[in-house]
This record gives sequence, structure tokens and C-alpha cells, in this order.
Amino acid sequence: GQNIDQPTEMTATEGAIVQINCTYQTSGFNGLFWYQQHAGEAPTFLSYNVLDGLEEKGRFSSFLSRSKGYSYLLLKELQMKDSASYLCAVKSNYQLIWGAGTKLIIKP
Amino acid sequence: DAGVIQSPRHEVTEMGQEVTLRCKPISGHDYLFWYRQTMMRGLELLIYFNNNVPIDDSGMPEDRFSAKMPNASFSTLKIQPSEPRDSAVYFCASSYPEAVGNTIYFGEGSWLTVV
Repeated sequence: GQNIDQPTEMTATEGAIVQINCTYQTSGFNGLFWYQQHAGEAPTFLSYNVLDGLEEKGRFSSFLSRSKGYSYLLLKELQMKDSASYLCAVKSNYQLIWGAGTKLIIKP
Repeated sequence: DAGVIQSPRHEVTEMGQEVTLRCKPISGHDYLFWYRQTMMRGLELLIYFNNNVPIDDSGMPEDRFSAKMPNASFSTLKIQPSEPRDSAVYFCASSYPEAVGNTIYFGEGSWLTVV
């Protein structure tokens, strides 16, 4: 079967660092996406990994290990505006399989 | 670029009524997706089109749901008759193969409430 797991909710402090994990078990792998979704809004694209390693984009970084079926999204210097849900999605056999999302709560 | 445009943004309707949701994809994008999102089930792919042709509609819940794409710049998702369990946010999204990973871009969603 196809399965993506990520924590339901996480809490972090403004200015700190947080790592959101995503593990997947899919029949194929053509890449992994992270999307950010603020409450009441549409998901917006954050990052894409298809090869192992770390992709850095400003305060956000995404890591992939295909052998472990594992990815994480790292958010640095957290700001209140980072409070949102973060969705992990795996492209498997050209279909996009979505995780349920991790709700990130940022406290002052 | 205007992005993916959806209408209506919000709709409240009575059970049994027909609901039509509309979408204009980003110009030049040849893939169009209809998703439904609820707290219980998360994001679910309902159907997607490539070059206006439906490719996979296995996510369409039942015969009450239908989708069309008469041309490259317009698609509709219709629910007839609507039921309270259809209450959800319906997202339209589009992509093109040359985008990194074939990244999909979402519209702002249509918030449907069936009472």
C-alpha cells in the first residue's frame, strides 16, 4: 500500500529551530514535495527533493533519504507567520500521495 | 501571472441542490487537478486532466460528482444532488511538465457547505 506518516501537531518557540519529519512507504518514488498551508488558505509549494541530501532555501531546508523512506523539513529562525500546516507529498508512479499534514504552532 | 482562479470562493447550499465549481488554470499549464480537503480525510485527489482529457477519475466519490474540461482554460466540478457530507474545501490545481518535479499550483479553493 501507499502510506505517508508525519506528526499531527508540533509546537515550537519563535526564533528557534524545528524539524518536521515525514516517512513514506510507496510502490514507487519520483520525488518528494513539501507544501505550506496557512489556515483557510491553499497549499503553497515549499520544496522538492528527488535525490538524497539537503536542499536549502533561505530559512527552510528539506532533506531526503530514499533508502530510509524519510524526509524532513527544517525551519530556522522561526517567525509567528510560520504557524501553518506542513504537508509532505510523494510522487509515486506519477501520482501524488499526500500526508495528512503537520500543524505547527509557534509560541512567542 | 494571475494564478489558478476558482469560483465561487464560498457557497452555502441546501441538500439536494446542484453545485457547480469553476476553475481557470494557469495559462500554459496542461495538467489540471481537482482536490477535496476535509479535516477527517485530508487532501484527496478527485480527478485530473491532461490536455483537457480526463486521465484518472478514480477518486470521484460517486456518480453524483462529475467534472469537465471543455477547453484549456476552463474546468467545472459538478455535484448533483449535493449532500451534507460533501461539505469541504474543493481545490483546483494546475501544473506543467517542465516545472521542477511537475510542481502543482493550487487555487484559493471553493468552500462548500451543504445544509
